[in-house]
Formats: sequence, structure tokens, C-alpha cells
Amino acid sequence: EAGVVQSPRYKIIEKKQPVAFWCNPISGHNTLYWYLQNLGQGPELLIRYENEEAVDDSQLPKDRFSAERLKGVDSTLKIQPAELGDSAVYLCASSSPYQETQYFGPGTRLLVL
Amino acid sequence: SQQGEEDPQALSIQEGENATMNCSYKTSINNLQWYRQNSGRGLVHLILIRSNEREKHSGRLRVTLDTSKKSSSLLITASRAADTASYFCATFDDKIIFGKGTRLHILP
Repeated sequence: EAGVVQSPRYKIIEKKQPVAFWCNPISGHNTLYWYLQNLGQGPELLIRYENEEAVDDSQLPKDRFSAERLKGVDSTLKIQPAELGDSAVYLCASSSPYQETQYFGPGTRLLVL
Repeated sequence: SQQGEEDPQALSIQEGENATMNCSYKTSINNLQWYRQNSGRGLVHLILIRSNEREKHSGRLRVTLDTSKKSSSLLITASRAADTASYFCATFDDKIIFGKGTRLHILP
């Protein structure tokens, strides 16, 4: 079984530039999560999807962050414009309707200069 | 921040010894989960304990849950070098909240 796929693995951009991250969850997993993880900290949930619907986006900074999950499969997280403080690892996870266990991708490490 | 707290923040022990990590949380929970993260990689699920359970075992892992104290502990017995990683507790209810993690280092 293929795991959660994320791309790119690393991204370096200048501040004020846009950036996008892509996630493909495990096949059959209807729940998809985007997390932000700062160095030395635990993941913080940004948004949770049940199929195409964002059921929890309360922690997503909507002035600059946006996400979509068209067709309820893969998802894109966008930042526009990026700020220095956005440097972090962005993790995607998915879970099946029958389990509460989350399966995480390897993450995208973002550096904003 | 709503993050829970793991204790200790860092722990170094000799290979073969037992490692105990604690987690305190603030909200009501449906279940609590422990995850491991090796350096620079994604998180891996270790064990889930539900709010009506008090103890659970999985291989060398033992988890306890005390909902009256809003705390949980993870015990790793007979530690190995491969157990070197960061360990996070996460509480699940209407919100999903991860703790700040315990960095465990197993000395040879």
C-alpha cells in the first residue's frame, strides 16, 4: 500500500512570493489533514477535510493561506504571500472512515528568505 | 497555543533501560494517541487509547490514561537504539491537539 505522498519535499522562496504544496492521501482515505510543524514543536492542525468538505479550518490563517481538495482525493495548500514566519514543515495526513489512526506523509520543508 | 505538554522535554537513557514519557492535556477527549517522529521524517502512529480505557499494551509499549487528571503516560520497555526519536501525544475530540513532544535519545 502506497503511503501519503507530498511534494515538493523542500522549497526555498523569497518573502512575499506564493508557494503551493501538494498531497495525495492513501487510497480510500476520505479524511485529509494539513498540519504545520515548527522546529522543536508538535504539529498544529491547519485544516481537516472530510471528502471535499473542510470540516475544521479554524486554525487556518485565511488572509494568506488557502486549501482545496477537489474531487475529495488529493489536496493543495497555498500560501500567498509567504512571510518569514511561515518557514516550517508542512505535513499532510490521511485516515480512513474506519480508523482514527492518521498516516502522515514525509512533509514539505519550507524556508522563506 | 492549545498544545498539550509532554514531560520531560528530553530524555537520554542507556540501551536496555525503560523510558517513560508523560502527557498532560486540557480538553475533554474521545481518544488519545501516541506518535513517533524520527529526525526529518513524518509521524508514525504507535498506539491509541480511548477515554473509557485505563491501560493498553502493544509490544514493548504500555500506555496509561487518567482522564480525571487529564494525563497519559507512555512506557517503552527494553529500549533500543532505533527508539531514538521524538514522541508526541495527541488528543482527539472535536479538536485534534498534539503536544510539544519528548525527544528520546538511547545511548549505546
